[in-house]
Amino acid sequence: AQSVTQPDIHITVSEGASLELRCNYSYGATPYLFWYVQSPGQGLQLLLKYFSGDTLVQGIKGFEAEFKRSQSSFNLRKPSVHWSDAAEYFCAVGPYSGGGADGLTFGKGTHLIIQP
Amino acid sequence: DAGVTQSPTHLIKTRGQQVTLRCSPKSGHDTVSWYQQALGQGPQFIFQYYEEEERQRGNFPDRFSGHQFPNYSSELNVNALLLGDSALYLCASSNYRDRVITEAFFGQGTRLTVV
Repeated sequence: AQSVTQPDIHITVSEGASLELRCNYSYGATPYLFWYVQSPGQGLQLLLKYFSGDTLVQGIKGFEAEFKRSQSSFNLRKPSVHWSDAAEYFCAVGPYSGGGADGLTFGKGTHLIIQP
Repeated sequence: DAGVTQSPTHLIKTRGQQVTLRCSPKSGHDTVSWYQQALGQGPQFIFQYYEEEERQRGNFPDRFSGHQFPNYSSELNVNALLLGDSALYLCASSNYRDRVITEAFFGQGTRLTVV
């Protein structure tokens, strides 16, 4: 069965510093990969997605992620974080049989704290 | 253009009761998926509806059932509520024809508390 691991439950970063959130997946084929962000009490907002092609994908709010097949990873990065980036971040993978809009498997999330 | 809308936003129910949650998809979308997000966890896929039929299902018991209406809106029903059903229930909509190349859009969720 497919799975997603986000090894860091909490990460604390100073405002203006760079950020990298880790995501590893287990999947038997070329995966559909996503990063979502969730603010407290809110739904999920898509930051970026990888379906195929260029392994470095750009998203909204200055985020980017790199797909590394050899490492089964899809890490999220941002060069300089802002206090408004404090939120919960989820990595997700699409199903074997379907596409990007079918039932996703999510990781448990990484809680990002921004220090002033 | 309204996005995905869910109602109610919050709900408190007693163990053993039944609950119905509602979702209206984004304009132009015909497919609705439901997720359960327990506190401190990532969302878990419950099922997906297209053309008024359940197309995919995650690992959830039969107490969880759904329905899709001709206008593409959907309901999630949970029978015989357990304390463990307390969670944020998220609805996501998409267009079935484009599902291989696109992603789903999520609503704000319904917070269900079972006491």
